[in-house]
Amino acid sequence: RKEVEQDPGPFNVPEGATVAFNCTYSNSASQSFFWYRQDCRKEPKLLMSVYSSGNEDGRFTAQLNRASQYISLLIRDSKLSDSATYPCWGNYQLIWGAGTKLIIKP
Amino acid sequence: EAGVTQFPSHSVIEKGQTVTLRCDPISGHDNLYWYRRVMGKEIKFLLHFVKESKQDESGMPNNRFLAERTGGTYSTLKVQPAELEDSGVYFCASSQARGEFYGYTFGSGTRLTVV
Repeated sequence: RKEVEQDPGPFNVPEGATVAFNCTYSNSASQSFFWYRQDCRKEPKLLMSVYSSGNEDGRFTAQLNRASQYISLLIRDSKLSDSATYPCWGNYQLIWGAGTKLIIKP
Repeated sequence: EAGVTQFPSHSVIEKGQTVTLRCDPISGHDNLYWYRRVMGKEIKFLLHFVKESKQDESGMPNNRFLAERTGGTYSTLKVQPAELEDSGVYFCASSQARGEFYGYTFGSGTRLTVV
């Protein structure tokens, strides 16, 4: 059983649209969750953290649902530069998922 | 603040040779992790140091891989002898505590190619 499950995508979204994707986790030991952004052939970089119910930062909103064991990421007014892969992670997780690939089209 | 640095950034070696990867974590981060990403697949955990002690090495694939963290500072990951399937990107990450508040900070990785 994988520690996280994410739709690998790609999500093809027109510029300016809103897009959301989820990440379900199985390791209930994790208390903190994070969305990372990974560009092709680069290391993952922290995008947002979420400890309680949710966190908002500009166009990005992350939410945590402990009862259903998933976190979500919402991107509003998407930009071409948002094109990347978005892996999620919990702090007791050993295996990172491959992430959800997002492609913003002009 | 300097980030996590890894050296070398790229390494191409022949099957059977030895390669040593180095990771310098963020100063003050007791927790250091090694991960590996094989082409197109997930990033997989290799091992976790707390200071100089191996907290969890359950992800190490076999005894050809040896990790050390002398004095709880930088860490090395040695592959000896290297096999073709060892090719991939090796990431190092460090964190305060178990990454509860700030997550992990990753280095830019070492791309290892075994030919």
